[in-house]
Amino acid sequence: AQSVSQHNHHVILSEAASLELGCNYSYGGTVNLFWYVQYPGQHLQLLLKYFSGDPLVKGIKGFEAEFIKSKFSFNLRKPSVQWSDTAEYFCAVTTSGTYKYIFGTGTRLKVLA
Amino acid sequence: EPEVTQTPSHQVTQMGQEVILRCVPISNHLYFYWYRQILGQKVEFLVSFYNNEISEKSEIFDDQFSVERPDGSNFTLKIRSTKLEDSAMYFCASSQPSYNEQFFGPGTRLTVL
Repeated sequence: AQSVSQHNHHVILSEAASLELGCNYSYGGTVNLFWYVQYPGQHLQLLLKYFSGDPLVKGIKGFEAEFIKSKFSFNLRKPSVQWSDTAEYFCAVTTSGTYKYIFGTGTRLKVLA
Repeated sequence: EPEVTQTPSHQVTQMGQEVILRCVPISNHLYFYWYRQILGQKVEFLVSFYNNEISEKSEIFDDQFSVERPDGSNFTLKIRSTKLEDSAMYFCASSQPSYNEQFFGPGTRLTVL
């Protein structure tokens, strides 16, 4: 069965540090890839998505992600985090023939001011 | 900006009781979804709905569950006879085309006693 792994469950960083959150999926076919963020008490919001084309995707709030097909990965990056980036981050995948999201377990990011 | 809304935000019920969770998707969206997240676990797909019928459902979505779009705006999830293990956060989502990003509501926390 298809699955999504997020290896970092909790990450603590100081402001201005660089961020990279890992996301790996298990599926050999075509995928659509998403990163969502959930700020405390708020909805899941889309940060960025990849369907096709340039594997380096830029999203909102200075986030970007790179799709590496050979590694089945879609890691999220931000060069310099802010206190306001404290949130939970979810990687999600859809595979061909279905529209349901398969989510990773989420990564809780805490940024220290 | 249009949002998906869900009511109630928190529902407490006794085991064996029926509950109905309500969602108002974004008005021009055509595809609707329910997901759930048991505390400490992944967000899991339950069901997708299009053109007044279920388009896909997971193994979790057994005969105890049903969905309905009773009017032009609401999308409901009914659990016929709740079990303790149904305690979870339930998220509604909607999308324009099926393959596009899904917009999530804030969730309903269901507690079964």
